[in-house]
Amino acid sequence: KAGVTQTPRYLIKTRGQQVTLSCSPISGHRSVSWYQQTPGQGLQFLFEYFSETQRNKGNFPGRFSGRQFSNSRSEMNVSTLELGDSALYLCASSLRLAGQETQYFGPGTRLLVL
Amino acid sequence: DQQVKQNSPSLSVQEGRISILNCDYTNSMFDYFLWYKKYPAEGPTFLISISSIKDKNEDGRFTVFLNKSAKHLSLHIVPSQPGDSAVYFCAARLTKAGNQFYFGTGTSLTVIP
Repeated sequence: KAGVTQTPRYLIKTRGQQVTLSCSPISGHRSVSWYQQTPGQGLQFLFEYFSETQRNKGNFPGRFSGRQFSNSRSEMNVSTLELGDSALYLCASSLRLAGQETQYFGPGTRLLVL
Repeated sequence: DQQVKQNSPSLSVQEGRISILNCDYTNSMFDYFLWYKKYPAEGPTFLISISSIKDKNEDGRFTVFLNKSAKHLSLHIVPSQPGDSAVYFCAARLTKAGNQFYFGTGTSLTVIP
C-alpha cells in the first residue's frame, strides 16, 4: 500500500501571502489529521477531518483552515502568513480497528516564511 | 498548555544497553498512548502503543509501560542498537467526537557503537 503523501515537500513564501498544502492519505483511511512541528514545541495538533467533516480543531487562529474531499484527500490553507508560521507541517491518516488506532504520517511539507 | 511532556530532550546510551525514554501526561481522560520514532526529513513512524486499560505492552526489543496513577509512560529498548538513534515522540489520544492526539516535544536518542 502506498503511504501518506504530501505536496509540496518544500515551500518558501513571504509574509502576507497564503499557502495551500495537500495530503493524500493511505487508501481506505478516512481520518486525516494535520500537525505543525516547530523546534522545541513538538507536534501541535491543527485539526482532524473525517468523511469531509472537521471533527476536531486545535488552538490555532482562524488563518489556519482545511478541508477534506470525498476521496479523503485533504488540503490545509494558511492565509496572511506570518514569520512564526515557518514550520514542518505533517499530515497523518488513520484507521481505527478494534479500538486500536495508529496514525501514519507523511514526510511533511517544510514551509519557510520570509 | 503542554498536556504531554518529555522532560529529557536528549539521551545517549551505549550499544547493547537499555534505553529508557520517559513521558508524563496531565489529562486522565487520555485513553490510548503511542510512541513514534522520527528520522530527519521524514515523518514520524509508529513504534508501539498501549491502551489505558493495560500497564505493559511488548513488541520485540520495545516495551511500553504505563503507570496511570503517576500519569507516566515509558519506552524501554533492549538491547539498544545504533539504528535506534532518532527522535522519539510519545503521544496520547483523547477520544471526544473524533480523535485528538497530543504529542510530547521529543527525546533525541543517540546509541553509541
